[in-house]
Amino acid sequence: AQSVTQPDIHITVSEGASLELRCNYSYGATPYLFWYVQSPGQGLQLLLKYFSGDTLVQGIKGFEAEFKRSQSSFNLRKPSVHWSDAAEYFCAVAGGGSQGNLIFGKGTKLSVKP
Amino acid sequence: ETGVTQTPRHLVMGMTNKKSLKCEQHLGHNAMYWYKQSAKKPLELMFVYNFKEQTENNSVPSRFSPECPNSSHLFLHLHTLQPEDSALYLCASSQEGLPRPYEQYFGPGTRLTVT
Repeated sequence: AQSVTQPDIHITVSEGASLELRCNYSYGATPYLFWYVQSPGQGLQLLLKYFSGDTLVQGIKGFEAEFKRSQSSFNLRKPSVHWSDAAEYFCAVAGGGSQGNLIFGKGTKLSVKP
Repeated sequence: ETGVTQTPRHLVMGMTNKKSLKCEQHLGHNAMYWYKQSAKKPLELMFVYNFKEQTENNSVPSRFSPECPNSSHLFLHLHTLQPEDSALYLCASSQEGLPRPYEQYFGPGTRLTVT
């Protein structure tokens, strides 16, 4: 069965510093991978997705993620964090099983220091 | 604004009440979903509707009853809930099939408190 692990529950970075959020997945075939962001009291917003092709994908708000099959990882990066990036970030995997189902990680909460 | 709206945004109900959550999508999608988000737990998929047909029910208690009258509207009818049902309930929609399978768009959620 598919699964997603986000090993970091909470990360704090300084404004302007770089950011990397980790995501590892378990899936036998080529996965469809997603990163979502959730601000407090809000729904989830799609940041970026990987379906196939170029393993480095660009998303909204200056985020990017790299698919590494050998490491079963899909880490999210941003070169310079802004205070407005403080939120919770969820990695998700889909593919196989019931159509449309996404399996989400438990999320990583990002705090930004001024 | 993602094109998925949910009402109400906040709901407080007693354990003997009956209420309904509403979701509407304006994206022309053919699949809709209910998720439950509790503190310290990952998102839990509750129900999936594809072309108005329920295709998934992840062992959800019968006190939650979904309804999908058309591909744009989704309801979650609630009755005799328990305090542990307090959570954020998220609705999502997607256009199943290529070229963007599984790409789900979420509403803002309904914060439910059961007293």
